[in-house]
Amino acid sequence: QKEVEQNSGPLSVPEGAIASLNCTYSDRGSQSFFWYRQYSGKSPELIMFIYSNGDKEDGRFTAQLNKASQYVSLLIRDSQPSDSATYLCAGFVGDTGRRALTFGSGTRLQVQP
Amino acid sequence: EAGVTQFPSHSVIEKGQTVTLRCDPISGHDNLYWYRRVMGKEIKFLLHFVKESKQDESGMPNNRFLAERTGGTYSTLKVQPAELEDSGVYFCASSQDVGGRRRSPLHFGNGTRLTVT
Repeated sequence: QKEVEQNSGPLSVPEGAIASLNCTYSDRGSQSFFWYRQYSGKSPELIMFIYSNGDKEDGRFTAQLNKASQYVSLLIRDSQPSDSATYLCAGFVGDTGRRALTFGSGTRLQVQP
Repeated sequence: EAGVTQFPSHSVIEKGQTVTLRCDPISGHDNLYWYRRVMGKEIKFLLHFVKESKQDESGMPNNRFLAERTGGTYSTLKVQPAELEDSGVYFCASSQDVGGRRRSPLHFGNGTRLTVT
């Protein structure tokens, strides 16, 4: 089992819809989770980070963390064509201070105009 | 505030040659990471510096890769001799953890695209 797992997609949604991106992780001790957006040929760009169970909202983005079920999700409301990119879920899996940030393979999102 | 900068942005070398990549982290960031993304694969961790010390180099693929961070500022990653499978995008990232179990986000540079022919 991969330490951080994502569906590679593509996930296709119409403009204005809600895009829901999901991620699971294997290590129950993981504490910190991040969503990055990566446009083709560019570097990963931080979108959200979440540490506690529940929801965290920032503009059109909401990150959700459920430690009991070991999943993290990202909701994008009012999706725009400019949101089309690969979304990377990442976590510091394992004990804090002993492991580096581990990435999932990314989910490609396509927002159709 | 300047972000993480990497040099060069692209490098094309022949198999057997040597290449050195450079990363300048965000000023004041003690943590510096190297990652690599090969075609079609996920971003993979290579190693982690805390200041000038190697905290974790478990991701380094083999002894052809050598990373240094003299003085705890910029870092270099040397590949010698380069092989075809070393082609990919090498990302550098930095962070400044404030302590505790919550870890700070990593800030990434634009990457160096390495092509070995």
